[in-house]
Amino acid sequence: NAGVTQTPKFQVLKTGQSMTLQCAQDMNHNSMYWYRQDPGMGLRLIYYSASEGTTDKGEVPNGYNVSRLNKREFSLRLESAAPSQTSVYFCASQTGGPYEQYFGPGTRLTVT
Amino acid sequence: AQKITQTQPGMFVQEKEAVTLDCTYDTSDPSYGLFWYKQPSSGEMIFLIYQGSYDQQNATEGRYSLNFQKARKSANLVISASQLGDSAMYFCAMSFPSSASKIIFGSGTRLSIRP
Repeated sequence: NAGVTQTPKFQVLKTGQSMTLQCAQDMNHNSMYWYRQDPGMGLRLIYYSASEGTTDKGEVPNGYNVSRLNKREFSLRLESAAPSQTSVYFCASQTGGPYEQYFGPGTRLTVT
Repeated sequence: AQKITQTQPGMFVQEKEAVTLDCTYDTSDPSYGLFWYKQPSSGEMIFLIYQGSYDQQNATEGRYSLNFQKARKSANLVISASQLGDSAMYFCAMSFPSSASKIIFGSGTRLSIRP
């Protein structure tokens, strides 16, 4: 099992460019999440999807959009990148209930 | 309000000693889960241990144990016999099934093990 995979691993964008971060899980989990981690800080929730076909805003959704393409895949889109979006982005999935989330390896994004 | 607090930004511990990382939480939700994650310098998030709010016994996983004191709302991580490979950031986190199992994270503790 690959678990949670993310592409790309690294990305550099210029201000105003757009891009989509891809995430896929093979654990048949219902819920999927996108976080960002700024230097020296914990993770903050951007968007989540409790089940296929639903998405909801988290703590820091501004500047992002998401798509739950199917049960396996959950993508994060930056429509017009800003330097404040320079961060490490983590995707996670979870089966449900008060249990742990499984994280992907992260995408390191730099916006210049 | 739901909140996780880690008051130790950094700690230094001698190899082979035990170490306790502090975590306190605040919630009025009766059902929740508490976790610890390890983030080494390579950046990945590694799940260490889980404690459910209704669990009677403290969780243990190998050298890791979670000292769960519900009345005090604390969930400290204890690492026995620390190793050089334990040097990393450690995050305490809490999830709520009533809120689509969203997790909130503490700010983390950087643990450094001295040889």
